[in-house]
Amino acid sequence: GQQLNQSPQSMFIQEGEDVSMNCTSSSIFNTWLWYKQDPGEGPVLLIALYKAGELTSNGRLTAQFGITRKDSFLNISASIPSDVGIYFCAGSPNSGGSNYKLTFGKGTLLTVNP
Amino acid sequence: KAGVTQTPRYLIKTRGQQVTLSCSPISGHRSVSWYQQTPGQGLQFLFEYFSETQRNKGNFPGRFSGRQFSNSRSEMNVSTLELGDSALYLCASREPYTDTQYFGPGTRLTVL
Repeated sequence: GQQLNQSPQSMFIQEGEDVSMNCTSSSIFNTWLWYKQDPGEGPVLLIALYKAGELTSNGRLTAQFGITRKDSFLNISASIPSDVGIYFCAGSPNSGGSNYKLTFGKGTLLTVNP
Repeated sequence: KAGVTQTPRYLIKTRGQQVTLSCSPISGHRSVSWYQQTPGQGLQFLFEYFSETQRNKGNFPGRFSGRQFSNSRSEMNVSTLELGDSALYLCASREPYTDTQYFGPGTRLTVL
């Protein structure tokens, strides 16, 4: 079955630093999603990507859909303490079809030291 | 537009009992998926409902079941609870014609 490798597993950074994390897939995806989850809460959608090569920003967050369709990257610039949480990538080989199931990475735990 | 809502937010049950969790999707979203999240296993897909029909199913025992109503609201039922069923149960609704899912806040189930 499909596998998503997300790295790094955890990051400890100082406030103000930039952060990068990525996900790679064993197969081609047509949708990449990035979520952030706070403890005890549901994941919140940060960025959705639908086309190879697409680069999308949401405030200080930027994500890219890899041109091979097998990877995606999330960058956070000028980190702040509220960026703390677990970041998940998710991907799907489909595009809105009925045979649909997202595959999730295992998450990147981000800690920001003020 | 209101987000995905889930009730209850917290639940404590004992082994052998059953539990029903409820999810209301974003207005206009007809697909609802359920996930179990535990520290050891991460996010695991339970099932997806679309227009009151179960369309996809994960690898969970038959004790886990669900249904969807005509207004797209969905319920998940777990019968004969086991200690290992303690988890955060997440519901997500899917944006039409995309694979983009929006999650609810989750129901924290503790089985004693």
